[in-house]
Amino acid sequence: NAGVTQTPKFRILKIGQSMTLQCTQDMNHNYMYWYRQDPGMGLKLIYYSVGAGITDKGEVPNGYNVSRSTTEDFPLRLELAAPSQTSVYFCASSNLGTSGGLNYNEQFFGPGTRLTVL
Amino acid sequence: KNQVEQSPQSLIILEGKNCTLQCNYTVSPFSNLRWYKQDTGRGPVSLTIMTFSENTKSNGRYTATLDADTKQSSLHITASQLSDSASYICVVRNYGQNFVFGPGTRLSVLP
Repeated sequence: NAGVTQTPKFRILKIGQSMTLQCTQDMNHNYMYWYRQDPGMGLKLIYYSVGAGITDKGEVPNGYNVSRSTTEDFPLRLELAAPSQTSVYFCASSNLGTSGGLNYNEQFFGPGTRLTVL
Repeated sequence: KNQVEQSPQSLIILEGKNCTLQCNYTVSPFSNLRWYKQDTGRGPVSLTIMTFSENTKSNGRYTATLDADTKQSSLHITASQLSDSASYICVVRNYGQNFVFGPGTRLSVLP
């Protein structure tokens, strides 16, 4: 299994440009997530999906859009790039599991996309 | 406000030594707590996941503890190796798909 793959690894955008960050997982996970990681800060949830055709906003969704047409793919779209979107973006996937008799989601992360907006 | 704080911010130790990283949280309701290891330029990788009923959990040389009453967790690394150099992130699952991430502790292991 390749796990969670992300493309591109690096990208530089000009203000106002748009782009799509790609994320694919081959573990047949129902749940998928997009996070951003800023220096010295914890990861922040942008959007998540609990299955194909279902998406929901996270903590910091403004300026982003997502779609989930298949179980495997969860692309993140930036429509009008702004300097505040300079960050490292991580995609993750998970399924339900159990520990101590209780349910949990173990998240598996991709390698990240480093985006700079100038 | 749901928050996860970690200390120290960074730590330097010599190879072979032990160390303990701290995590305090104010997340409520609490579902479970995880520790992740993040190598430079890579995504986080899960080390342990603990529910409120679990006090301690080990994964090789990594041992995590949880005190749900004081809302504190620690990650103890035994006999450190150079490959342990990374950021260690404490994450508390709130409810649903809401995970609160700490800022991480940057560990450097020197030969």
